[in-house]
Amino acid sequence: DAGVIQSPRHEVTEMGQEVTLRCKPISGHDYLFWYRQTMMRGLELLIYFNNNVPIDDSGMPEDRFSAKMPNASFSTLKIQPSEPRDSAVYFCASSLVYPSEGDYGYTFGSGTRLTVV
Amino acid sequence: QKEVEQNSGPLSVPEGAIASLNCTYSDRGSQSFFWYRQYSGKSPELIMSIYSNGDKEDGRFTAQLNKASQYVSLLIRDSQPSDSATYLCAVITDYGGSQGNLIFGKGTKLSVKP
Repeated sequence: DAGVIQSPRHEVTEMGQEVTLRCKPISGHDYLFWYRQTMMRGLELLIYFNNNVPIDDSGMPEDRFSAKMPNASFSTLKIQPSEPRDSAVYFCASSLVYPSEGDYGYTFGSGTRLTVV
Repeated sequence: QKEVEQNSGPLSVPEGAIASLNCTYSDRGSQSFFWYRQYSGKSPELIMSIYSNGDKEDGRFTAQLNKASQYVSLLIRDSQPSDSATYLCAVITDYGGSQGNLIFGKGTKLSVKP
């Protein structure tokens, strides 16, 4: 099992540009989560999907952020236009069941470190 | 605003000692609790979960939960330098049968000195 795969690992972009982050969850996992981590705010949930359907996007900062999951093996998080305050590490995680239903917790990807200059 | 609070540390302990990491949460309805370990520059990885009051042991790790005091802790016995990492407490609140969100604390940085 290759685990949760994220790409790219690092992204440096100029303010105003579009950024697309990609995630491939573990096969068979029904839940996919996008988190953002900064020193100031820690890990924040942005959005999560169940069976490819967005369930809760209340953590998405603003309309500049959008996420899609066109099939069970692929999700994207897009920022357009990007701003310096979007600089963070973005993690994708997947789970077989929702964490409260068992000892599964999440399996996190390696993250994408985004720097907006 | 539901919150999970942790002392940011760093917590420094000598090798072989017991490291005690603490976490408090604001929502009394919280039901599920998790401890994650995150090495510098890496992603979080699950160490333990706990759902009932009391202690849960797994090897050198013991999670303790006290729902009345809204307090959860992680004890690491015989601490090793390889345990040096940031430890994240995470909490889920059940919203009357609906799934709550997994909320993370900002983490406690642990340093185990040889």
